[in-house]
Amino acid sequence: KNEVEQSPQNLTAQEGEFITINCSYSVGISALHWLQQHPGGGIVSLFMLSSGKKKHGRLIATINIQEKHSSLHITASHPRDSAVYICAALNNNNDMRFGAGTRLTVKP
Amino acid sequence: GAVVSQHPSRVICKSGTSVKIECRSLDFQATTMFWYRQFPKQSLMLMATSNEGSKATYEQGVEKDKFLINHASLTLSTLTVTSAHPEDSSFYICSARTARDIQYFGAGTRLSVL
Repeated sequence: KNEVEQSPQNLTAQEGEFITINCSYSVGISALHWLQQHPGGGIVSLFMLSSGKKKHGRLIATINIQEKHSSLHITASHPRDSAVYICAALNNNNDMRFGAGTRLTVKP
Repeated sequence: GAVVSQHPSRVICKSGTSVKIECRSLDFQATTMFWYRQFPKQSLMLMATSNEGSKATYEQGVEKDKFLINHASLTLSTLTVTSAHPEDSSFYICSARTARDIQYFGAGTRLSVL
C-alpha cells in the first residue's frame, strides 16, 4: 500500500463546478504539499500545509492531522484548471512521498 | 516567495550526447536538493539527494555514473545525463529544501533523446 493515496485518479467536471481532490496518508508527516502539473509537464507548487486550511484565489487546501487526510478544493472551476494535481507528504524521516496524481479535466 | 529555477525546460538531443540540467534556488540557500524522474502518467520518483559540497546519495537502481549530480553551491545543483539514450527520455524535476525543511519544486525539464 502506498504511503500516500489520492482519489479520484481521474476527474471530469463541467466549467463552474466545485471540485474536491482527496489525499490520505498512512505515516506521520511534518508537511503536505499540493502540486499542479500542467499538460506540458511543468510543475507549480500550490500549497504547503502542516495544519488547518489555506486559500489562494479559487483554490483551498485543508488538512486534518488526526485523520491523516487532506483535500484540495477548486471553486468555480475553469478549463485552464485542467491538470494533474499531486499530493506529496514529507514524512517524519524527511522523505517526500508522492501520490499517484489526479488528472482533472474541466470542460467548457 | 521562494522560487526554484530549473533550466532548460525542454531539451532534445541526439543519442550519445550528454545533457546538463541546472537547478537554482533563487532567493534562499538550499541545504538539500533532490532530483526526481517522472515517467508518463506516473508519479515522481526520487533519483538522488544531494547536499552542498558532498557526494549525492542515489536511490537504488539509479546509475550514478549515468546521472552525475554536482551540488556546487547552496543555490545550485546540476544533473548531467551522460551518453544519453532514448530510454533516458523522461521528465526530470528538481526540488530544493530550506534549512527549515520547506521544500520547493522546479518546473521540470523534458528530455527527449533521439
